[in-house]
Amino acid sequence: NAGVTQTPKFQVLKTGQSMTLQCAQDMNHEYMSWYRQDPGMGLRLIHYSVGAGITDQGEVPNGYNVSRSTTEDFPLRLLSAAPSQTSVYFCASSNLAGWRQETQYFGPGTRLLVL
Amino acid sequence: GQQLNQSPQSMFIQEGEDVSMNCTSSSIFNTWLWYKQEPGEGPVLLIALYKAGELTSNGRLTAQFGITRKDSFLNISASIPSDVGIYFCAGQLRPSQGAQKLVFGQGTRLTINP
Repeated sequence: NAGVTQTPKFQVLKTGQSMTLQCAQDMNHEYMSWYRQDPGMGLRLIHYSVGAGITDQGEVPNGYNVSRSTTEDFPLRLLSAAPSQTSVYFCASSNLAGWRQETQYFGPGTRLLVL
Repeated sequence: GQQLNQSPQSMFIQEGEDVSMNCTSSSIFNTWLWYKQEPGEGPVLLIALYKAGELTSNGRLTAQFGITRKDSFLNISASIPSDVGIYFCAGQLRPSQGAQKLVFGQGTRLTINP
């Protein structure tokens, strides 16, 4: 199993550009999520999904869109990039045992710089 | 939003020393998790705690779920150079508060002098 994969690893954008960060998992996990990591802030939840066709907002959703058309994929879209979105983005997935999350597996991250 | 206060923010220790870090919150959590992150990689789960008062070990690591459900600590005994990294606590809220959302602490950066 490849686990959780993310592409690209690095990206530089100009303000106003759009892009999609890709995330895929091959563990048949129901739960997938996106976090951003900024210095001194830990990880903050952007959006999450508990299954195909179901998404919901996390702590910092503004400026980001997600969709979950398949169990395996959970792309994160920046419609109009802003310098405040410069960060490291992590995708994670896990099984759900009722309401309780099982172990979350994280991808290697995408480093995004918005100029 | 929910807040987890993790301390200390950084630690500089000698190899062989024991390490202790903790997380506190004003909210009650049903699950406490401890992760380690190394440079350029995503966090990796070290220990998961599911019951108040639970004490769990993973090799030289020991973590406890506080009785009040509002805190947790992680101890590392006899530190070695490969323990270097950033350690994060994370909590899962009760179902009525959005159990699908994990809340992370700010992290503790551990540096070890050989």
